[in-house]
Amino acid sequence: KQEVTQIPAALSVPEGENLVLNCSFTDSAIYNLQWFRQDPGKGLTSLLLIQSSQREQTSGRLNASLDKSSGRSTLYIAASQPGDSATYLCAVYGGATNKLIFGTGTLLAVQP
Amino acid sequence: NAGVTQTPKFRILKIGQSMTLQCAQDMNHNYMYWYRQDPGMGLKLIYYSVGAGITDKGEVPNGYNVSRSTTEDFPLRLELAAPSQTSVYFCASSPRTSGSNEQFFGPGTRLTVL
Repeated sequence: KQEVTQIPAALSVPEGENLVLNCSFTDSAIYNLQWFRQDPGKGLTSLLLIQSSQREQTSGRLNASLDKSSGRSTLYIAASQPGDSATYLCAVYGGATNKLIFGTGTLLAVQP
Repeated sequence: NAGVTQTPKFRILKIGQSMTLQCAQDMNHNYMYWYRQDPGMGLKLIYYSVGAGITDKGEVPNGYNVSRSTTEDFPLRLELAAPSQTSVYFCASSPRTSGSNEQFFGPGTRLTVL
């Protein structure tokens, strides 16, 4: 059974700092991995999707990497801003099951 | 495009009442999903559909029913509401093409059962 873990559960950093969020999964037979952002009381916004054949994806100040063999992904946020404060969720997709398995998220607070 | 829309945004039910959560998407996506998110937890899949007329159970289907009569709409039905169904419900859709199965989420429905 696929399990997704995110560490740390919460993180507080000063504005301007670079930071890394971690995601690990137990079954490496994934189709892709998706990173989401969730603001309090809101829905999920897709940030980056990495296909299983890819090593990384970049969007603006965000860079996500994927190492299937070790069951790990990282989300790197450069020059953090208070507006980056949110919960970040990673989810893996095992194509045959049509299911997206979510981690429990990392709550990020960027202090001005 | 409006993307994925959900109604209502909030609802309070009494134990034993029934209701339907509405979900619609205008992106012509084949795949649609219903998730629930409990406080401090990740999202869990309730039901999903791979196209009109086809639905299947997810991880936590008990107490729920779905139908998919059109590509656009995927309503979720609660027949006998229970306090354990207090949660935030998210609907999502995906094109599920060979190039992408990225999922796009609606804003959610916050349901409280008292």
